[in-house]
Amino acid sequence: NAGVTQTPKFQVLKTGQSMTLQCAQDMNHNSMYWYRQDPGMGLRLIYYSASEGTTDKGEVPNGYNVSRLNKREFSLRLESAAPSQTSVYFCASSQGRGQPQHFGDGTRLSIL
Amino acid sequence: EDKVVQSPLSLVVHEGDTVTLNCSYEVTNFRSLLWYKQEKKAPTFLFMLTSSGIEKKSGRLSSILDKKELFSILNITATQTGDSAVYLCAVEGGTSYGKLTFGQGTILTVHP
Repeated sequence: NAGVTQTPKFQVLKTGQSMTLQCAQDMNHNSMYWYRQDPGMGLRLIYYSASEGTTDKGEVPNGYNVSRLNKREFSLRLESAAPSQTSVYFCASSQGRGQPQHFGDGTRLSIL
Repeated sequence: EDKVVQSPLSLVVHEGDTVTLNCSYEVTNFRSLLWYKQEKKAPTFLFMLTSSGIEKKSGRLSSILDKKELFSILNITATQTGDSAVYLCAVEGGTSYGKLTFGQGTILTVHP
């Protein structure tokens, strides 16, 4: 019952470093999403992939890139980390629009 | 701008109490409203509501949607300490495929 698996669970970076957060799902879902969660802000959508081979910007895409590697995997890349990107990052997947999204356990990222 | 507002922001009760959590929304192209429970890690899915007036129920938890007044409530009866968590309301809609707009969450603390 793995569901959505995110790696790493924790990471500390220095300003300017790059990093890729990995996400994999084993539910054969078509759609995958990346969110960030900040205190008092709720979860906000960064990027999403409606289906394999497509990606689109969400609400807060600046400073991030994504890759939908295959149906199972969706990675999030920070090219040049900034302190404002300190957050908890969640990956989610769903069968598609109108279906509930299921979340991974999150990656806690601190940028000094 | 799509908006989801939850109230109260925090709530402290004793075991056995009944609680009602509120969620109001202003979202274009509404498709569904979802409730999640978040303990230490991943938000876990509770309910998805798409139609007004139809109660969804799971054990001691129940939820209902009013699409005319643009709100939903989540009821928890006979609360237990294991119900302590952050309860998140999210609405699917807007222009991005499958985008969820989240509220800030309600922190529920249940004391023995």
